Amino acid sequence: GQQLNQSPQSMFIQEGEDVSMNCTSSSIFNTWLWYKQDPGEGPVLLIALYKAGELTSNGRLTAQFGITRKDSFLNISASIPSDVGIYFCAAISSGSARQLTFGSGTQLTVLP
Amino acid sequence: ETGVTQTPRHLVMGMTNKKSLKCEQHLGHNAMYWYKQSAKKPLELMFVYNFKEQTENNSVPSRFSPECPNSSHLFLHLHTLQPEDSALYLCASSQGSYQGTYNSPLHFGNGTRLTVT
Repeated sequence: GQQLNQSPQSMFIQEGEDVSMNCTSSSIFNTWLWYKQDPGEGPVLLIALYKAGELTSNGRLTAQFGITRKDSFLNISASIPSDVGIYFCAAISSGSARQLTFGSGTQLTVLP
Repeated sequence: ETGVTQTPRHLVMGMTNKKSLKCEQHLGHNAMYWYKQSAKKPLELMFVYNFKEQTENNSVPSRFSPECPNSSHLFLHLHTLQPEDSALYLCASSQGSYQGTYNSPLHFGNGTRLTVT
């Protein structure tokens, strides 16, 4: 089946620092999504990307749909304590199946 | 407040018990899903319902039995579970029948933390 390789698995950063995480795959996708899961809650959609090369921002978050359609990255600028959580990439395959696949997540810890 | 409500939040059960997880969505969506979340693993899709009809069963063992009486409610009946079934079980809903498409993103509940002893 399709797999997304998400890295890093975990990150410890100082408040105010920028963060970058990415997802790669050997498969081609039509849509890339980034979710955040706060402790004790379900994942919430942050950004959706629909076109190769697309760069989209949501506040301090910026994500890009890789030009090869096989990867995506998420950047967080000037991190704050409430950025703590697990960030998941997800992607939707092409074709009639339109299967949604999730990455294994990046656990982000922001130190004061 | 999330539009998808799951109960209970925590559940501890023995391997011979029978229990049920409940999910209710208040968003007017027509598709509902069960996902299993284990630590450091991708979310695993278990079941998909579209307009109360099961459209996907992702090779889930029969000890997990879903029920969808209407588009707003979804249950997961559990019996004779194994310790490796301990995980966070997430319910989600979407407007469209495909999972999380651009015009129909998934809305997740806060999950039920299940521990099988």
